Amino acid sequence: DVAMTQSPLSLPVTLGQPASISCRSSQGLVFSDGNTYVNWFQQRPGQSPRRLIYKVSNRDSGVPDRFSGSGSGTDFSLKISRVEAEDVGVYYCMQGTQWPWTFGQGTKVEIK
Amino acid sequence: EVQLVESGGGLVQPGGSLRLSCAASGFTFSKYSMHWVRQAPGKGLESVSAISTNGGSTYYSNFVKGRFSISRDNSKNMLYLQMGSLGVEDMAVYFCAREAPNGSYDCWGQGTLVTVSS
Repeated sequence: DVAMTQSPLSLPVTLGQPASISCRSSQGLVFSDGNTYVNWFQQRPGQSPRRLIYKVSNRDSGVPDRFSGSGSGTDFSLKISRVEAEDVGVYYCMQGTQWPWTFGQGTKVEIK
Repeated sequence: EVQLVESGGGLVQPGGSLRLSCAASGFTFSKYSMHWVRQAPGKGLESVSAISTNGGSTYYSNFVKGRFSISRDNSKNMLYLQMGSLGVEDMAVYFCAREAPNGSYDCWGQGTLVTVSS
């Protein structure tokens, strides 16, 4: 199985400041069609996960533009340009290139 | 509105069985592959199983292979997960999720809790 390793696992952030989460995969994630199926999900307390980013850098409809995804090869990242109170939760990277689809351990974002 | 509603969770003894259901609405169910994803209490997310649009292909994570069976009824817009030989390690919230056409999940249910305890 492809291992997805996130860091940090805990991220205290000051409101209005940027935040960055790293995700490293144990192998390359380019699918046979040339796409890289790396996604980012947000899970607010008590809620189901919600997708923010798909195929590395594509933001979902309704997701604020302060969220951005980037990366290639085995290194990927999610950036929040200015953290707001509603961004508190756990963020997961996930690869959908190879079955079983696998998630990172999750990064808990909280306000300092 | 796209909606996925899971049911069937509950308390089961170790070694027991349980069948989870997921009712889909608001989209053409038969056009989407579907998945089950679980989350143990206070832990992260794990892909459990997936099924193709017509049910002809099924996929399982190693930790459930041979114990769980995924199926669907497109005439009823229903997804199922038959779980057997349950252990404490299977205790989790089980989510039904729709597979998006880009190696991802674009819609999740609210989850149903499975508790394994004697």
